[in-house]
Amino acid sequence: ETGVTQSPTHLIKTRGQQVTLRCSSQSGHNTVSWYQQALGQGPQFIFQYYREEENGRGNFPPRFSGLQFPNYSSELNVNALELDDSALYLCASSLRTGVTDTQYFGPGTRLTVL
Amino acid sequence: DQQVKQNSPSLSVQEGRISILNCDYTNSMFDYFLWYKKYPAEGPTFLISISSIKDKNEDGRFTVFLNKSAKHLSLHIVPSQPGDSAVYFCAASAETSYDKVIFGPGTSLSVIP
Repeated sequence: ETGVTQSPTHLIKTRGQQVTLRCSSQSGHNTVSWYQQALGQGPQFIFQYYREEENGRGNFPPRFSGLQFPNYSSELNVNALELDDSALYLCASSLRTGVTDTQYFGPGTRLTVL
Repeated sequence: DQQVKQNSPSLSVQEGRISILNCDYTNSMFDYFLWYKKYPAEGPTFLISISSIKDKNEDGRFTVFLNKSAKHLSLHIVPSQPGDSAVYFCAASAETSYDKVIFGPGTSLSVIP
């Protein structure tokens, strides 16, 4: 059983650019959530995808968008990057079986916006 | 507005002693609480959870206590081991939105040999 993987590990972009981050779910999982973790803070919920549909969103602007593919892998896209977007981006997968599904996190992608 | 608070950014404990990590929440709709542990360069790992219908849940050396009236929960680690040194996140969710988990800012635990 493979765990959650994310790519790339690190990324440096400049303000105004666009970025795509990728996540492969743990085998058998059908739900993916994305989180942003700024320095010294806890992860903040961006959105969740279940069976390729967005299923819940946090307080993030529309320039944060995502996709989930038929194999349940996922992408997070951020347009018009701002300096405050610099953070660790975490992906978590889970199997939706009930109301309290345990999420399994990947190691994250460290994004730096200059 | 921080709905989940962990007021101690760091904690140091001697090996073998008890570690107590505290968490407070403000949203009365929260009814499911989780603790995650995070090592550097790794994602958070689920540790233990508790539903609001309980006031205690144990799993080996880890016990979580929930005081709903005080909107407070705590994680006890007994005995503490050096491998427990990590950042611990308290998290919460509500029945109306279990997909949206709200995390606290974390407490960095150092267990000194």
